[in-house]
Amino acid sequence: AQSVTQPDIHITVSEGASLELRCNYSYGATPYLFWYVQSPGQGLQLLLKYFSGDTLVQGIKGFEAEFKRSQSSFNLRKPSVHWSDAAEYFCAVVAMEYGNKLVFGAGTILRVKS
Amino acid sequence: EPEVTQTPSHQVTQMGQEVILRCVPISNHLYFYWYRQILGQKVEFLVSFYNNEISEKSEIFDDQFSVERPDGSNFTLKIRSTKLEDSAMYFCASSWEGEQFFGPGTRLTVL
Repeated sequence: AQSVTQPDIHITVSEGASLELRCNYSYGATPYLFWYVQSPGQGLQLLLKYFSGDTLVQGIKGFEAEFKRSQSSFNLRKPSVHWSDAAEYFCAVVAMEYGNKLVFGAGTILRVKS
Repeated sequence: EPEVTQTPSHQVTQMGQEVILRCVPISNHLYFYWYRQILGQKVEFLVSFYNNEISEKSEIFDDQFSVERPDGSNFTLKIRSTKLEDSAMYFCASSWEGEQFFGPGTRLTVL
C-alpha cells in the first residue's frame, strides 16, 4: 500500500524568506500527487497537483512543486513567504492501483515570523 | 464557482446517538468521498462512492457507518451509535478528472 511521509512537523520561516516543505511517498509506480493547505478550522484547499508531464508544477498563491521520481519526492516550494501563508500543509497521493482514494501525509505546520 | 457544501458545520451529540452528516457534491461529479480528521492528526479516508454503491472503504468504516445518496444531490454519512472516538472533523469530497474537491467539513463532537 502507498504511504506519504512529511518529515517536518513544524517549520518556522521569516516573512520574505524562501520555503521548502518536504514530501516523500512510497509506491512502485508514479502516483497522482497533490498538495493541500488547511487554515485553522477550515477545509482543505488544493494548491497544486501532478499527474504527468512537466515535473515542475505551478500552483496557486505562488507555490510550486517538483516531482523527482528517483527520490520519490514531491517537495513544495515558495520563493518568498507571506504572513498569510501560515497554515498546515498536507501532501497527498492517489495510487490508482489501490483505488482512487487520497492518502495524506501527517502535515507540516508552517509558522511565519515577521 | 461550484463548490462542495456540508451541513451542519458543527454537530454535538451524546455517545450512543445516531448522527447524519450531509454533503452536497458538485453537480456533475461522479465520485464521492468521506474523510475524517481527528484533532491534531492526519486526514484519513473513510469511504468512496460511485454509481450508487460503495467502491472502496477503509477499516475505519465499520458496521456503525453507512453512506447514502438519497436523491440526486445529497450524499450522507450516518453513524449509527456514536462513540467518543468518533469526535473529529468529517470532510466530504467529490472528484472530477482525478482531482478531489473538499467541502468545509463538519466538526462532530461526541460527549
